[in-house]
Parts: sequence; C-alpha cells; structure tokens
Amino acid sequence: SAVISQKPSRDICQRGTSLTIQCQVDSQVTMMFWYRQQPGQSLTLIATANQGSEATYESGFVIDKFPISRPNLTFSTLTVSNMSPEDSSIYLCSVEDGGQTGANVLTFGAGSRLTVL
Amino acid sequence: EDQVTQSPEALRLQEGESSSLNCSYTVSGLRGLFWYRQDPGKGPEFLFTLYSAGEEKEKERLKATLTKKESFLHITAPKPEDSATYLCAVRGGSNYKLTFGKGTLLTVNP
Repeated sequence: SAVISQKPSRDICQRGTSLTIQCQVDSQVTMMFWYRQQPGQSLTLIATANQGSEATYESGFVIDKFPISRPNLTFSTLTVSNMSPEDSSIYLCSVEDGGQTGANVLTFGAGSRLTVL
Repeated sequence: EDQVTQSPEALRLQEGESSSLNCSYTVSGLRGLFWYRQDPGKGPEFLFTLYSAGEEKEKERLKATLTKKESFLHITAPKPEDSATYLCAVRGGSNYKLTFGKGTLLTVNP
C-alpha cells in the first residue's frame, strides 16, 4: 500500500499566522484528499486535490482559508491561513489505494497536529 | 446527506472480555462501509470494507458484519494491544468521499 509522509508532524502557531503542511506519497496518485480531525469530532473532508486542476472544496471550506497546491502526482500542500484557535486540529492527507488494501480504500498519513495560541 | 453514528463513544474491557462496537448509518446507495483503527498520534489504519448486507469479514480477533442499517465490529478475547479508536465510514451514491463517525475509543485492560 501507499506510504504517505506528512510534515510537520506537529506545530504550535500564533494567531493570525499561516502554516503550510506538506504531503509526500511514495507512488503516483490521481487524487489526494485533505481531512481535518478536530477534538471529539469526526474526520471531515476539506478538499480534494487533483494534479493540474483547481482543488475541489467541501461545503464550509474555502480556498482563501485553505489554499492547496498539487504540483505533481506525488506531492501536495495544504496551507491554513490567518489561523485562529478554532483551527487547532489534526490535518490528515490521504490517497486512494488500489493496491493490497483493495480498490477505493483510503490510506492516511500520520497527520499534522496544529495548536494555535 | 450521508450520516454515521458510532456507539458507544468509549468502551473499557478486561483482557479476554468480548464485546461489539456499533456503527449506524444512513446513506443513499451504499458503495462501501469501512472500518479503520486509529492509534494516538497516528493516522487511521484500514481494517475492512463491507459492500452488501450479510457480508462478514474477519481479521485476527476482529469480525465486521453489515446489515442495511448498521455494522458491528465484534472483538473476541481482546488484548491490550487492541486498545485504539475504531472509526466507521461510508461511501454512498456517486460520491467519492467518505463520511466518518466520531469513533469508539476502546481500552482493554490487562
């Protein structure tokens, strides 16, 4: 199955600043997904990143707040802009893995835990 | 809108004490129900996919079952290393995205 590396694994940020999270996959994938996991809440899809096109955002998420880049088939970044304490969360990168785990199964990175003060 | 509700929120078991976790769902045209395990500080790890009512899958001490309204994750004779948060998710209709429940935090005491 795909191996996903995320950086940073955790960070403490000041209110009003922005942070970019990187996601590297060890194989080429068409779609990459960014999820948010807030304390006590379910995993929520932020957006889908396709190489060569604009990211598709879910309801409640906007590009100005969460700009995404997808420069090639193995890499993506998510920026959390103008952060507030409400943005404190774990952000996870994922890809569909059609390998050993089976078609249409999501494989996740370890996540990036952001704390905004 | 697809919905997933997991119960209980937390479950404490003694080692060897079997139990079940519940995942109730509403979805338009189920295209897969997924179980994941998540350890602290890690991303979710895939366990099972179920596609149709009556389907069952097993892996070591875990067995997942599916009906038209819910799925159960049965844990037989659990060990402390089974302690984790178990997440349920569904994919429905023509949607490619997964809708997750909030998870069940399982603690198995030695």
